[in-house]
Amino acid sequence: ETGVTQSPTHLIKTRGQQVTLRCSSQSGHNTVSWYQQALGQGPQFIFQYYREEENGRGNFPPRFSGLQFPNYSSELNVNALELDDSALYLCASSPWLGARYGYTFGSGTRLTVV
Amino acid sequence: AQKVTQAQTEISVVEKEDVTLDCVYETRDTTYYLFWYKQPPSGELVFLIRRNSFDEQNEISGRYSWNFQKSTSSFNFTITASHVVDSAVYFCALTPGSNYQLIWGAGTKLIIKP
Repeated sequence: ETGVTQSPTHLIKTRGQQVTLRCSSQSGHNTVSWYQQALGQGPQFIFQYYREEENGRGNFPPRFSGLQFPNYSSELNVNALELDDSALYLCASSPWLGARYGYTFGSGTRLTVV
Repeated sequence: AQKVTQAQTEISVVEKEDVTLDCVYETRDTTYYLFWYKQPPSGELVFLIRRNSFDEQNEISGRYSWNFQKSTSSFNFTITASHVVDSAVYFCALTPGSNYQLIWGAGTKLIIKP
């Protein structure tokens, strides 16, 4: 299997709710990163996981959390949703630790918080 | 501080014209990596090129070419004889050598008119 698959593609949630976004990377991609992309802006780094451990985090509050599983799938969880959390959430994977070789990106999950 | 600036918010040209997308970066690291990604309406970020800070050779790939100049901290991208299918948002990104995140510009929306 190749590429990065994200689900769902679109999601509408109410302020205060919790959401889980899912990502499936290709075999051998031990690094997964999550990015938030607001409309009309560049992606912002949320965090990175390498072999199921978080090894880097951007400027996002603790209500953004993640998990990475041995089968190359991962999750992004957001608690207590706020209106400003409305964005495209992108999952990216790589066989290497770090960002210096770039990533393969999924098509994202469009989250709307109302 | 690390920063990427794409001053052109939107560019519109007629098909078959050449177009150059500008990217200026800031970093104090001597080892770093620069990227260009394309984001079509589907949302997926598609990798175009990666360049490390020690390789200032310009690169040409078909109709695409990249001009990396450390003296001006610029990494510009030119599309020759543009096609309508080149229409997308193009992002320039930077990562220092030891880092785990990509730092992105705000993107340039390229519109190619038939």
